[in-house]
Amino acid sequence: ILNVEQSPQSLHVQEGDSTNFTCSFPSSNFYALHWYRWETAKSPEALFVMTLNGDEKKKGRISATLNTKEGYSYLYIKGSQPEDSATYLCALTYSGNTGKLIFGQGTTLQVKP
Amino acid sequence: DAGVTQSPTHLIKTRGQQVTLRCSPKSGHDTVSWYQQALGQGPQFIFQYYEEEERQRGNFPDRFSGHQFPNYSSELNVNALLLGDSALYLCASSLGVSGRASSYNEQFFGPGTRLTVL
Repeated sequence: ILNVEQSPQSLHVQEGDSTNFTCSFPSSNFYALHWYRWETAKSPEALFVMTLNGDEKKKGRISATLNTKEGYSYLYIKGSQPEDSATYLCALTYSGNTGKLIFGQGTTLQVKP
Repeated sequence: DAGVTQSPTHLIKTRGQQVTLRCSPKSGHDTVSWYQQALGQGPQFIFQYYEEEERQRGNFPDRFSGHQFPNYSSELNVNALLLGDSALYLCASSLGVSGRASSYNEQFFGPGTRLTVL
């Protein structure tokens, strides 16, 4: 059973704080890692797809890194804003089964004004 | 360009009943996957449909079945509902299937159908 773990489970920060969370995963047969942002009552929104060890991706104030050898990815948010409040999910796909996303349980971020 | 749509948004059923959930994929997508998200957990893969056939399946009982239509839309059917089937059911669409995926099987999600079983 492949286990994708995210930490922390939840996070409360003040507006302007920078924050980061972790996604840990089994590295054997790694194919791709996906980060999603999910606001309440909306659809999960794809942030990044990462495939190469050492990959770094950036989208505005949000960035992510990937280490496929040790099996982890970090998501960073610089200068958090209230609109960043959401659940951030990471999902993995593995070689031989690339149609199936295996999700972590998510990190719920609350940014207080 | 319409994204992934799902219907209904909410549904209440009683134990033993049957339910059908519907999904229309993003324009241009031909593959539909279904996920179940129980409270406090990440989404769990149920199955994936491509070319009107089930191509991959997660660890769900046969009570969960699906269908894909020629226009690529899909239905998820659950028979003999249990209390534990109460969850948010997400549909995701993508282009291609395992082995032929583009963009590393990037999947686009709908807003989900909230199923409550009483």
